[in-house]
Amino acid sequence: DADVTQTPRNRITKTGKRIMLECSQTKGHDRMYWYRQDPGLGLRLIYYSFDVKDINKGEISDGYSVSRQAQAKFSLSLESAIPNQTALYFCATSDLGGSGSYTGELFFGEGSRLTVL
Amino acid sequence: DQQVKQNSPSLSVQEGRISILNCDYTNSMFDYFLWYKKYPAEGPTFLISISSIKDKNEDGRFTVFLNKSAKHLSLHIVPSQPGDSAVYFCAASDTNAGKSTFGDGTTLTVKP
Repeated sequence: DADVTQTPRNRITKTGKRIMLECSQTKGHDRMYWYRQDPGLGLRLIYYSFDVKDINKGEISDGYSVSRQAQAKFSLSLESAIPNQTALYFCATSDLGGSGSYTGELFFGEGSRLTVL
Repeated sequence: DQQVKQNSPSLSVQEGRISILNCDYTNSMFDYFLWYKKYPAEGPTFLISISSIKDKNEDGRFTVFLNKSAKHLSLHIVPSQPGDSAVYFCAASDTNAGKSTFGDGTTLTVKP
């Protein structure tokens, strides 16, 4: 089983619908992230969380919200989906590691492909 | 303003030859630089990293070079193999902020 699991893997929805993408991890990491990838572009940070009580906006948070239900679970919601939110969404985790060993390495899920019609 | 740039969207090399992927950055706060590899229908996976206080890190066929004064890094793959064909993302990490910024990726094709 994957260490970082995203559901659903594929979703087609209509404009105006509410969508939730879920992420769960078994790595025991405190830090979790949601990224978005558009064709030909890199990954852009939507939201990130350093623990259950710490949620932070990334560079493209407008139109999205998140919930950190537990250390292992981090959900991304689109309250009212629009076509330009059609993209590939990745959840990732990272760990601080031991003293002086944190490099920012991210562990990614397999992605959730969202299409908004 | 894009803080991490990979100016070559694609690169094609012959099997056995060297692949060189390049990356430029602008933010001096970045203290680690990482390369990720991505196959279709999979998430990116970590390949190799380098601290900003180093100028070279090697791991088997993969070597990353950092030129801090030029704010430039490169990934060398020697020898290239067909299984290396993938999208390669350069990422710059500000470990104090706990965030990474990604380039747009370079699609590497290694021809047999």
